[in-house]
Amino acid sequence: GAGVSQSPSNKVTEKGKDVELRCDPISGHTALYWYRQSLGQGLEFLIYFQGNSAPDKSGLPSDRFSAERTGGSVSTLTIQRTQQEDSAVYLCASSWGQGNPKETQYFGPGTRLLVL
Amino acid sequence: GNSVTQMEGPVTLSEEAFLTINCTYTATGYPSLFWYVQYPGEGLQLLLKATKADDKGSNKGFEATYRKETTSFHLEKGSVQVSDSAVYFCALRELKAAGNKLTFGGGTRVLVKP
Repeated sequence: GAGVSQSPSNKVTEKGKDVELRCDPISGHTALYWYRQSLGQGLEFLIYFQGNSAPDKSGLPSDRFSAERTGGSVSTLTIQRTQQEDSAVYLCASSWGQGNPKETQYFGPGTRLLVL
Repeated sequence: GNSVTQMEGPVTLSEEAFLTINCTYTATGYPSLFWYVQYPGEGLQLLLKATKADDKGSNKGFEATYRKETTSFHLEKGSVQVSDSAVYFCALRELKAAGNKLTFGGGTRVLVKP
């Protein structure tokens, strides 16, 4: 079946602009995660959605970052007033959401964001 | 808080050489441990995992044993191939009460030369 998909695959924007990144999780997966992979910070957690529960936003680096998940499926990560330090690869992952630490998270190919 | 430390790369090897990538962790509870691999131009893929002490995860000739006493999860492969060139990430995940996120190490780039 289809894996996690993300769009766009690449995004170049100017400093100060807003961007939206999209994630389509694996069908049936109730848990969805956003991570960021950057040269200086490695791979870091941003936000986690589980079913209809309030999201875990503990990893969002500033209030310019927000995410939503509509209908328990597709998620959009929005970065407002982008800064050059936001340049990174943004990764989405999903899992069955059993709340079990053993379960596997499946990652999408990522969106490479470059802020000029 | 939780953290994962893995050896810095790049690690350059010849084909058929033995590979070890060290990984140690700090966790407040009893995490599950993972190795993810990122091949050039591709997304992160789960390579192997272990969910309790003394478990051994294995896949594609790679192995890692969950060592609670040394808080380690070192990755090994006896004979690497050029196709093993990739970036390898060690990660941990704890119970829901501590968050469901994966905590990653910094990644180790491995280059296998023919």
